This record gives sequence, structure tokens and C-alpha cells, in this order.
Amino acid sequence: EAQVTQNPRYLITVTGKKLTVTCSQNMNHEYMSWYRQDPGLGLRQIYYSMNVEVTDKGDVPEGYKVSRKEKRNFPLILESPSPNQTSLYFCASSFLIGSDEQYFGPGTRLTVT
Amino acid sequence: AQSVTQPDIHITVSEGASLELRCNYSYGATPYLFWYVQSPGQGLQLLLKYFSGDTLVQGIKGFEAEFKRSQSSFNLRKPSVHWSDAAEYFCAVGAMTSGTYKYIFGTGTRLKVLA
Repeated sequence: EAQVTQNPRYLITVTGKKLTVTCSQNMNHEYMSWYRQDPGLGLRQIYYSMNVEVTDKGDVPEGYKVSRKEKRNFPLILESPSPNQTSLYFCASSFLIGSDEQYFGPGTRLTVT
Repeated sequence: AQSVTQPDIHITVSEGASLELRCNYSYGATPYLFWYVQSPGQGLQLLLKYFSGDTLVQGIKGFEAEFKRSQSSFNLRKPSVHWSDAAEYFCAVGAMTSGTYKYIFGTGTRLKVLA
């Protein structure tokens, strides 16, 4: 089954404790992206990747890191999480950028206390 | 700058009634246009998309959308709403900005369906 998986689905952590949210897709997509969803703000792009070893900042990259060492995986790293990073995070992938539909993971709800 | 506006934050309709969700975009050319639905606790699922050609696009679950270039709009419609349509709906565009394509999402419209 074609899908985007994210882990964990729920995470409660404390300020400053490094964490990684994994994202994996099995569709051989070139493009992958991370979004955060906050009430009233819709989806805002954090980082995206157009291919292996090619990543770039989205609209709200501060406090986040990503890597793309393999085509299928695109982990999101919070080196020192803060309460303002409490949010719902989505990973997405697509064949092409901008002109193709994105496939979304189920989301990761992160709470930073 | 490119933007997507969904002017209605919340919409409530009765089951069986018709539905129209509004979406306006700001972009110099015709972008790629998408509507996604997010059911509670779920990720986003594509309802339909428009790239070119016929301006009336059919999607899944009985939804359709009409692209109107003169109004920079891409409104989503459904003739008869079902209780299972209660969800949040996002309009998105794929557009070239700063030399690369990116996706821009609206802030979403939350649909409530009354029995």
C-alpha cells in the first residue's frame, strides 16, 4: 500500500530534550516536506527536500533540522525543543514539486512542556 | 507574494443541504490548485486538483470545484452534504516562487454538519 508513515504519532517531552520525528514513504517520491499545523494558521512549511542530500528551508524553519540521506526517509529533528513548538506535524511527499498532489502522513502531535 | 485565502473559518450546514467553500489565491499566473480534506485525527487527503483544461473539476466523495480565472477563485462545492463530510478543508496552490515551486495552503475551513 502506498503510504507515508510517521513516528511517533504522539509525543510529550520537556524543553531542551532533543527529539526526532521519523518520516518514510514507499512511493519513490523525489519531493518530501514537513509542515506544522496550528489553529487558525493552517499548514506552514518547515523544510522540504527535492532529492537525496538536497534540502531547503520553508516558511518556519527556526528551531528545526532535517536530513535526507535516503530517498524514502526524511526525519525532522528538534535539537532543543521549546513550548512554542507544540504543534501537529505532518510529513508529505510527491513525485513533483508544486504540480503534483502531496501524500500526507497521519501526523505527529507534539507537546513540549 | 503568493497567498491563499479561505475567508470562512467555520461553516455549518444541515445534512442534505448544498455546500460551497470559498478559496481565493494571489498569483501572477494560473497556479496548480488543490483541495484537501482532513478528518478528525487524520492526515490530509486529496479531494481534487486542477492543472489546466476544463474549469469544472470532479473529485472524490461527490465534490467538485470550479476554477474562475477572472476571480482568482477555486471554490469547492457539493450538492448534498452527508454527516461524514464534517471535517476541515484546505485549499492549496502549487506555484513558482523565488525560482522554485512550492505549495501554499489556506488556513482551512471547518465544516460542521447538522443532522
